[in-house]
Amino acid sequence: EVRLVESGGGLVKPGGSLRLSCAASGFTFSSAWMSWVRQAPGKGLEWVGLIKSKAYGETKDYAAPVKGRFTFSRDDSKTTLYLQMDSLKTEDTAVYYCIHGSGWYDHWGQGTLVTVSS
Amino acid sequence: EIVLTQSPGTLSLSPGERATLSCRASQSINSNSLAWYQQKPGQAPRLLFYDTSIRATGIPDRFSGSGSGTDFTLTISRLEPEDLAVFYCQHYGNSITFGGGTKVEI
Repeated sequence: EVRLVESGGGLVKPGGSLRLSCAASGFTFSSAWMSWVRQAPGKGLEWVGLIKSKAYGETKDYAAPVKGRFTFSRDDSKTTLYLQMDSLKTEDTAVYYCIHGSGWYDHWGQGTLVTVSS
Repeated sequence: EIVLTQSPGTLSLSPGERATLSCRASQSINSNSLAWYQQKPGQAPRLLFYDTSIRATGIPDRFSGSGSGTDFTLTISRLEPEDLAVFYCQHYGNSITFGGGTKVEI
């Protein structure tokens, strides 16, 4: 069974940083392309980006609103995905979902809430 | 980037009725790379369909996906109370975009 468990969310001030983790199990993590999607409170879904597997150079693709501020990484030995968020803005407030896949998304984590507020 | 427009914003129906949800793309989605998701209150989205009409595992056959080009439809043939949710369409071609969602009230 595929399982994705996000952690690391919380309250942070504008301009601050936060690192999210996503512990993965139930599939071959090292060969998986992984994605992040976020959802602001009461709003729709927004693609954040993806990180490819090591075999594809761990290439990253970022959505325009987060490019230059967010960084994806992965530790295949720990089957864990990371999202480093810097220079946070109030508009980054959202539930962040970790997802197995890069096209359609058949496995989602439960999400972790990031609140950016002074 | 392809923009997806979903309509209506909210659909209020009774159990047993048929629900028709629309997703219109700003340009043709040639490879039918369109998915549908259901998000119930307080839950993560669940995949319903990919490649326009391929049903995901465990999705009841009263749900169906159809369409091509710029116009796509999710149909729920007979609504059940547990279908209360927001439904999103998604394009996953060269870029990934989501529609704004349709809320189904029962």
